[in-house]
Amino acid sequence: DTGVSQDPRHKITKRGQNVTFRCDPISEHNRLYWYRQTLGQGPEFLTYFQNEAQLEKSRLLSDRFSAERPKGSFSTLEIQRTEQGDSAMYLCASSTFEDNYGYTFGSGTRLTVV
Amino acid sequence: RKEVEQDPGPFNVPEGATVAFNCTYSNSASQSFFWYRQDCRKEPKLLMSVYSSGNEDGRFTAQLNRASQYISLLIRDSKLSDSATYLCVVTTSGTYKYIFGTGTRLKVLA
Repeated sequence: DTGVSQDPRHKITKRGQNVTFRCDPISEHNRLYWYRQTLGQGPEFLTYFQNEAQLEKSRLLSDRFSAERPKGSFSTLEIQRTEQGDSAMYLCASSTFEDNYGYTFGSGTRLTVV
Repeated sequence: RKEVEQDPGPFNVPEGATVAFNCTYSNSASQSFFWYRQDCRKEPKLLMSVYSSGNEDGRFTAQLNRASQYISLLIRDSKLSDSATYLCVVTTSGTYKYIFGTGTRLKVLA
């Protein structure tokens, strides 16, 4: 495992459906982050975990969004009752304790809500 | 005011040109700084960290000006392959989340 893996790569869903995305970080990375990116914008922070603890959540993360990292390894991001405004690229990243090494991002999950 | 601001561009430059981007940040407590590169419909990738003393990596030079609260990226001898969006990233002491700018698009023209 040499990178951050996200699944699925693409998801098309009807408005009102629930979707779940998975992220597998680099194995020795204890921090995991979720970001959302829309066209022409930089990634926006959603939430992050240190091991299994969710340490910070953005106000962007409404009650329809939930994220878990049950054993401190992979993480899931669930969106309930999807809306068209949820259409975006959802990016997962991981890092070690040393910030200066920067994040490593996965390829992202592109969500389209129709 | 956004926490991190960048000129979205696009900057259209000929091959071989030198181009510079600036990024301003609003929080004086910002601690770590990075430049990321993002190709179209791909994930961001770390280009370089930015240190107070400035740092260079080949054709790329990054600088930090804490007094004026901006960071810069200089690309010398631009290549066609440098065409991408360059994202400025700032972190704040006490949190590990990264704050991204909107990115600056660079197009290097043959």
